[in-house]
Amino acid sequence: EDKVVQSPLSLVVHEGDTVTLNCSYEVTNFRSLLWYKQEKKAPTFLFMLTSSGIEKKSGRLSSILDKKELFSILNITATQTGDSAVYLCAVERGSSSDMRFGAGTRLTVKP
Amino acid sequence: GAGVSQSPSNKVTEKGKDVELRCDPISGHTALYWYRQRLGQGLEFLIYFQGNSAPDKSGLPSDRFSAERTGESVSTLTIQRTQQEDSAVYLCASSLLSGLGELFFGEGSRLTVL
Repeated sequence: EDKVVQSPLSLVVHEGDTVTLNCSYEVTNFRSLLWYKQEKKAPTFLFMLTSSGIEKKSGRLSSILDKKELFSILNITATQTGDSAVYLCAVERGSSSDMRFGAGTRLTVKP
Repeated sequence: GAGVSQSPSNKVTEKGKDVELRCDPISGHTALYWYRQRLGQGLEFLIYFQGNSAPDKSGLPSDRFSAERTGESVSTLTIQRTQQEDSAVYLCASSLLSGLGELFFGEGSRLTVL
C-alpha cells in the first residue's frame, strides 16, 4: 500500500531556530514529491522535487530529495512567527497522476 | 476565474440528508482533485479527474460518495445520507495538466453533520 509519512507530527520552536521536517514515502511509480504550506485553509505550493540530490531553495526555505532512501527534508532557517503552519508533503505517482498527502507537520514558532 | 472557487464555504446539515459540494477550477485546468481533511489531520485523497473522466475513484470512502465533472470545468461532490463522520473540510484543487505537479487549492467547504 502506498504511504507518505511525515515527522514530527508537531514541532514548537522559538524565532530564529532552524527546523528540519521529514517526509518518507513508499509509492509505486514515483514521479515527484511536493511540499505545501497550509496556514488556514488552502495549502500553498512551496517546492516540487523530481531528482535526487538537487536542493531547491526559496529564501529561508530549502528542500532536497533522496530517491534511493525514499525521503525528503524541508529546512527552514531563522524561523519567524509567520512560518507557523502545517507543512504538507505530497507524492505524485506516474501511473495515475494522482497526488497523495502525508498527515502534515504542525510547526509553531513562538516569539 | 482567478482561482479555484468552492461552494458553499460552510454547510451544516442533519444526519441522513444529502449534500452537494461544488468546485470551479481555474479556467483551462484539465486535472481536478478532491480531498477530505478532518480536524487536525492531513489531506485524504478522494477522487481525481482528468478532463471529465475519473481514472482513480479508489479514495471514495463509501458508495454514499460520488463525484462528477462536466465540460472539463465544474465538479460536484455528492454525499448521500450524511453521517457524523463525514464532518470535515472538503478541499478541491486543480492543475493545468496531470503530472505537472503544482496543485492550486480552493478555500474548501466545511461540512458539519449534526
